[in-house]
Amino acid sequence: ETGVTQSPTHLIKTRGQQVTLRCSSQSGHNTVSWYQQALGQGPQFIFQYYREEENGRGNFPPRFSGLQFPNYSSELNVNALELDDSALYLCASSFQGVSEQYFGPGTRLTVT
Amino acid sequence: GDSVTQMEGPVTLSEEAFLTINCTYTATGYPSLFWYVQYPGEGLQLLLKATKADDKGSNKGFEATYRKETTSFHLEKGSVQVSDSAVYFCALSDRAAGNKLTFGGGTRVLVKP
Repeated sequence: ETGVTQSPTHLIKTRGQQVTLRCSSQSGHNTVSWYQQALGQGPQFIFQYYREEENGRGNFPPRFSGLQFPNYSSELNVNALELDDSALYLCASSFQGVSEQYFGPGTRLTVT
Repeated sequence: GDSVTQMEGPVTLSEEAFLTINCTYTATGYPSLFWYVQYPGEGLQLLLKATKADDKGSNKGFEATYRKETTSFHLEKGSVQVSDSAVYFCALSDRAAGNKLTFGGGTRVLVKP
C-alpha cells in the first residue's frame, strides 16, 4: 500500500509569485484535504476535494485554489504569494465519509 | 465553531516517566477525536482515535478516552521513551463539516535519557 506523497519537499519563492504543490493520495483513497501549518502552530484546514470538486473550504482567500484529478491526486495553487504564506503545506487523504485522514510528509514553502 | 485546546509545552520528562497531555474541545455536533504525532521534519502520523463517548483509543502504549461530559480527550502513556520525543496534536473531525480536521496548537514533548 502506497502512502501519501507530496512534491516538492522544499521550495523558495519570492513575494508576488505563484506556486503549485502536488499530492498523490494513498492507494484507494478518494478524498484529499490540504492544510497549512505555520511554524510552531497546529495545521489549519484550507480545503477538501472529492470527485474533482471542492468539498469544503476553510478561512483562506480565493488566491488559494486547488484541483483534483481522476486518479484522486491533487494540486494546491497559491497566487500572489505573501510572506505569511511561508509554512509547511500538508496533504491528507481519506475515504469520503470516513473520519481518519492520513498525511503526507509536507512541502515546506518559504516566501522571501 | 469547533475548537481544540491543548496544554502548551514544552513538556520535559525523564525516560520511563508518566506522560499526560490535556486536550479539551468545543464542537456543535458529535465529533470524532484524534491524536496525531509529528516527529522533527516529518508530516503528521495518526496515533489513535475515538469515535464516540467513552471510547478508548490506544496505540504504542498511548491511550486516550473520549469524555463527553468533560469534553476532553487527554493523552496518557505510562512509561515514555526517548523515541517518544515529538510534537503531539489533538484534533477533532465533524461529519457535518465534511470531516475536516480541527487541530489544537500542539504540545512538544522532550524525553531525556
